[in-house]
Amino acid sequence: EAGVAQSPRYKIIEKRQSVAFWCNPISGHATLYWYQQILGQGPKLLIQFQNNGVVDDSQLPKDRFSAERLKGVDSTLKIQPAKLEDSAVYLCASSSPLTGRDEVRGAFFGQGTRLTVV
Amino acid sequence: EDQVTQSPEALRLQEGESSSLNCSYTVSGLRGLFWYRQDPGKGPEFLFTLYSAGEEKEKERLKATLTKKESFLHITAPKPEDSATYLCAVRDNYGQNFVFGPGTRLSVLP
Repeated sequence: EAGVAQSPRYKIIEKRQSVAFWCNPISGHATLYWYQQILGQGPKLLIQFQNNGVVDDSQLPKDRFSAERLKGVDSTLKIQPAKLEDSAVYLCASSSPLTGRDEVRGAFFGQGTRLTVV
Repeated sequence: EDQVTQSPEALRLQEGESSSLNCSYTVSGLRGLFWYRQDPGKGPEFLFTLYSAGEEKEKERLKATLTKKESFLHITAPKPEDSATYLCAVRDNYGQNFVFGPGTRLSVLP
């Protein structure tokens, strides 16, 4: 089966500029996550979608970050304006609902987008 | 609030030198504990899911075990290709979020 697709793989921007990341989850996966992974740390959840709706965005810096998931499939994460501390890898992951075969495998991750803010 | 810690932060082993990585967790109702492997420049790759205390899972040179407060990832006779960061995550009964620990960076020297 096709995995989680993310683009771009790398992005370098200046502080105060804006940037957007795209994610296409595994077909049929209702739950989509955006994680931020700072170098040397574990992934930290930014936002979680269930189909079109937001389940958890408590750790999303809403003054600069926004995310949407149109039609319950693809998702975009935007940062505007970017700060130096936003330099990180942004990981998209997807999973099926709490019941089902895929539950035993946890979340499936994309390759990530490495963002450098200079 | 769910919390996950991992130790050691980094581990260097000689090829063939067995060891264990620790994952300690605090969660209100464990739905599952997950181990992932992450290579540089890549997203985490699923290894195991453990659901209840006493459960064990094995895959090649890796064996994961679970107690009520922690999980261990045992690496038997590691090879250089086992070098990676190993992440532990938990999922509770109330949400679908995965809470990750900081990871253990494993280096296996030939």
